[in-house]
Amino acid sequence: NAGVTQTPKFRVLKTGQSMTLLCAQDMNHEYMYWYRQDPGMGLRLIHYSVGEGTTAKGEVPDGYNVSRLKKQNFLLGLESAAPSQTSVYFCASSYFGGGSSYEQYFGPGTRLTVT
Amino acid sequence: AQSVTQLDSHVSVSEGTPVLLRCNYSSSYSPSLFWYVQHPNKGLQLLLKYTSAATLVKGINGFEAEFKKSETSFHLTKPSAHMSDAAEYFCVVSGFKTIFGAGTRLFVKA
Repeated sequence: NAGVTQTPKFRVLKTGQSMTLLCAQDMNHEYMYWYRQDPGMGLRLIHYSVGEGTTAKGEVPDGYNVSRLKKQNFLLGLESAAPSQTSVYFCASSYFGGGSSYEQYFGPGTRLTVT
Repeated sequence: AQSVTQLDSHVSVSEGTPVLLRCNYSSSYSPSLFWYVQHPNKGLQLLLKYTSAATLVKGINGFEAEFKKSETSFHLTKPSAHMSDAAEYFCVVSGFKTIFGAGTRLFVKA
């Protein structure tokens, strides 16, 4: 049982380049999330999904897109990277979402630098 | 409306002394509350959660937290700090949506 895995672990992009971050979970969770973590700001929700084929915007969605074609995978795309997107990105999953007592399980993170 | 405030951005203790990390919340609903820990260059790991059962919640590694509705607080404590407790700690409220606090970095001095 691997839990939540993220690929890649590190990446350096030039401004304007694109990339996709992959998140996979093997716990059959319905909900999946993408967060970014910046110093002193905790975790901020980018996008989330309440089930296969669904996505929704979080607190800071601009400049990102997501897809959930399979229940176990949640992809985060950057179409045209900007230096402001330099951050550590975390994926998480849970059985249910807001208002529930179910905790989120986190991946190890992806450290992205945009130059 | 929901919010969560971690009252200290940094806390420094000596090894073997008590730890207190403070968290206040507001929620229009009866919330679930969580504490997560993040060690350097790692993801977040659940320490404990409150789900309207017992108000004193015990977690992993000797941590516990007490839910006080009248004070809208959910402070995290540990009787005796270990060097391995040095990490960042996040208080989380889950009501209509899930909100993370800004984090408290715990330093443990030898």
